[in-house]
Amino acid sequence: DGGITQSPKYLFRKEGQNVTLSCEQNLNHDAMYWYRQDPGQGLRLIYYSQIVNDFQKGDIAEGYSVSREKKESFPLTVTSAQKNPTAFYLCASSGDRGLSNQPQHFGDGTRLSIL
Amino acid sequence: QKEVEQDPGPLSVPEGAIVSLNCTYSNSAFQYFMWYRQYSRKGPELLMYTYSSGNKEDGRFTAQVDKSSKYISLFIRDSQPSDSATYLCAMRPDSWGKLQFGAGTQVVVTP
Repeated sequence: DGGITQSPKYLFRKEGQNVTLSCEQNLNHDAMYWYRQDPGQGLRLIYYSQIVNDFQKGDIAEGYSVSREKKESFPLTVTSAQKNPTAFYLCASSGDRGLSNQPQHFGDGTRLSIL
Repeated sequence: QKEVEQDPGPLSVPEGAIVSLNCTYSNSAFQYFMWYRQYSRKGPELLMYTYSSGNKEDGRFTAQVDKSSKYISLFIRDSQPSDSATYLCAMRPDSWGKLQFGAGTQVVVTP
């Protein structure tokens, strides 16, 4: 089945620790995205990538980093610089380099909490 | 002021009723409009996708866009308990642009 796989489902971070969230898609989509979802707020864009080896900051990139070495993979690292990392993280992808006529499809998220 | 406003609810309806959801927005450049359904602890699932103004129907779901009023709606007919979820509206401008999401409306359909 084609889709977007996020892992792990739950993740705990200690103070001063970097953690990496995995996102893999087998939809052959060019564009991939990372969002953060907090209660009572809409999804906020962290980073996006329209093509391999290229990515752009979204609205709330501080304290996060990404890489896009393969078309199907777009991991997100939450660094120790992100002081409020507790949230639900969603990965999405869309075809045709993210052009506006292609909708985004989402994975099932990773819930990150502070220990 | 947020670009996209959506009442958070919860909106509670009896089974079989029509669910009416809406979003208002401020950016007249938005051209593509989406509705997503999100179950608890799951990712959003695309329900409806429309371009510009007008209506679109898919089974029990009808999406309406009124660009003159900057207002979009989603109607769910013959609602079922399985429709209980959070519904997110999202929109983007004509050129490649970031999706802007509403905060989501929680819907509860009671048997």
